[in-house]
Amino acid sequence: GAVVSQHPSRVICKSGTSVKIECRSLDFQATTMFWYRQFPKKSLMLMATSNEGSKATYEQGVEKDKFLINHASLTLSTLTVTSAHPEDSSFYICSARGTGLGETQYFGPGTRLLVL
Amino acid sequence: KNQVEQSPQSLIILEGKNCTLQCNYTVSPFSNLRWYKQDTGRGPVSLTIMTFSENTKSNGRYTATLDADTKQSSLHITASQLSDSASYICVVTNYGGSQGNLIFGKGTKLSVKP
Repeated sequence: GAVVSQHPSRVICKSGTSVKIECRSLDFQATTMFWYRQFPKKSLMLMATSNEGSKATYEQGVEKDKFLINHASLTLSTLTVTSAHPEDSSFYICSARGTGLGETQYFGPGTRLLVL
Repeated sequence: KNQVEQSPQSLIILEGKNCTLQCNYTVSPFSNLRWYKQDTGRGPVSLTIMTFSENTKSNGRYTATLDADTKQSSLHITASQLSDSASYICVVTNYGGSQGNLIFGKGTKLSVKP
């Protein structure tokens, strides 16, 4: 149980375009979802925390107008990278935490974004 | 400053051999410590979780230890297999911190060779 999926698994886009990444909790209700970014050979860095139905809380240094997060339901959160630039190329991973599951965060498989 | 340090940075072993990965942390207050396995291009998968009072936790060929006094943890892999090749990440939860305040180590990249 406690499976988290992400879509797409990888995406290539042109500079200046926007890309949406979906994160879904498949078998539990995710009251809180987290978005991380991971650069090659680096550890995961938390970008933002979102609770269902409320605005996301962004970590220091993360532009909220560039990385739009929507957590409209208990099973879906989306991350939209607006006006993507090559430096946004990274591995984006979401995780979810649900009621009755304690503090455990269940991670999605990640989305590889390449901006040309 | 809350930090998690892992060693070695990378490790190469032969199939069938054992290995031990190290994790030192300075996170306070401490809630729990987890070891994750992350295959290349995939999200982390939890191997073990230990709270303050637990000294050891096993999951198949993986055995984690925790010394809360010295703030050290280790992950021992027995009889390694080629499929064990991955990054192993030590993650400490900061009790009472902001939501999901996980402090990640940079990971140890393990390569198991035939």
